[in-house]
Amino acid sequence: DAGITQSPRHKVTETGTPVTLRCHQTENHRYMYWYRQDPGHGLRLIHYSYGVKDTDKGEVSDGYSVSRSKTEDFLLTLESATSSQTSVYFCAISEPNYEQYFGPGTRLTVT
Amino acid sequence: AQTVTQSQPEMSVQEAETVTLSCTYDTSESDYYLFWYKQPPSRQMILVIRQEAYKQQNATENRFSVNFQKAAKSFSLKISDSQLGDAAMYFCAYNRDNDMRFGAGTRLTVKP
Repeated sequence: DAGITQSPRHKVTETGTPVTLRCHQTENHRYMYWYRQDPGHGLRLIHYSYGVKDTDKGEVSDGYSVSRSKTEDFLLTLESATSSQTSVYFCAISEPNYEQYFGPGTRLTVT
Repeated sequence: AQTVTQSQPEMSVQEAETVTLSCTYDTSESDYYLFWYKQPPSRQMILVIRQEAYKQQNATENRFSVNFQKAAKSFSLKISDSQLGDAAMYFCAYNRDNDMRFGAGTRLTVKP
């Protein structure tokens, strides 16, 4: 298995509070990604990073920000959580244009 | 934007039989990658098989094989000798320039 961990694995938070999810890799892959998974939509890309401090938006980036200060860590922040951001969040890593390997996921519930 | 369509929300197969999951995609590009991922109840996303668009030969991984029809923009997954452990959600994915797009998934049930 690719060395990818996500923390926390589960979180319940209230509307309007900030939330940060962490993705950590031990594979030294260049690319890191954040996805959300919702019923009927498969996985949708939120943001991705192609290097330290190099990030770009994905398909559903509104309401999310990311940061990558080290190769191994990629943070996803919800500045002010909303109920529509209740979802399962996956981190993934890859080398350019190769298959992506996924973390175990984080279930986030916004009440 | 590229879209990926899996037209079968649910499929079922008898143990030891063969099942084919369908996937179509929309793109104007000629160079891209296609994948099938499996997601069992554990929620872990597991790579099943990969296909490069420039390769005409269909990819095969043990009991899993694909039928890649580039002109038709079709990428189906065939599972032979189905096993109980194959029961899962299966996602088709299109990737170009590290922008991965997933289909909505097909839930596969395997009957003993």
